[in-house]
Amino acid sequence: QKEVEQDPGPLSVPEGAIVSLNCTYSNSAFQYFMWYRQYSRKGPELLMYTYSSGNKEDGRFTAQVDKSSKYISLFIRDSQPSDSATYLCAMNVNTGTASKLTFGTGTRLQVTL
Amino acid sequence: DAGITQSPRHKVTETGTPVTLRCHQTENHRYMYWYRQDPGHGLRLIHYSYGVKDTDKGEVSDGYSVSRSKTEDFLLTLESATSSQTSVYFCAISEGSEKLFFGSGTQLSVL
Repeated sequence: QKEVEQDPGPLSVPEGAIVSLNCTYSNSAFQYFMWYRQYSRKGPELLMYTYSSGNKEDGRFTAQVDKSSKYISLFIRDSQPSDSATYLCAMNVNTGTASKLTFGTGTRLQVTL
Repeated sequence: DAGITQSPRHKVTETGTPVTLRCHQTENHRYMYWYRQDPGHGLRLIHYSYGVKDTDKGEVSDGYSVSRSKTEDFLLTLESATSSQTSVYFCAISEGSEKLFFGSGTQLSVL
């Protein structure tokens, strides 16, 4: 079993829909949780960053962490065709040294007109 | 891409040949990383560096070596490329133990 599980999709939604992307994990020591967006043939781009449990909002994006359930989510409101990309969750333990992130395999999202 | 340049962007090589990929940063970040990305496996850490001449292995380091002679440059070398090393390679940087910033990637094909 992988340390971080993420549904690969693809997930296809109409423009304007609310999108929910999720990851589950097994390591209770994870403290930092991130979402990256990756367009085709590009590098991952940091989208959201949260520490421990709770919600964080940035424009149309909301990241949610539930450490008791070992479950994190990314919500996208009013989805746009430009949101079509692969979304990667990532997490790590704060060791005070290098950032050795553990990644999910990514969920491919397609927002249609 | 956060002041990170990877070269080359694409490379086709033959089995058994040596290959070196270069990562250059202009952010003066302490940590640099090499990841590979493969379908079904996601991003996996190959090697990382925590300072000039200071490197350590990641999850999938077999068949790879790295060097960092300057803060801004981190090289990944495949001593004798194999077909299983066909992948997309990403360099990343961080200042501390939290956020990682990625380059645009190098598509490597080993025939």
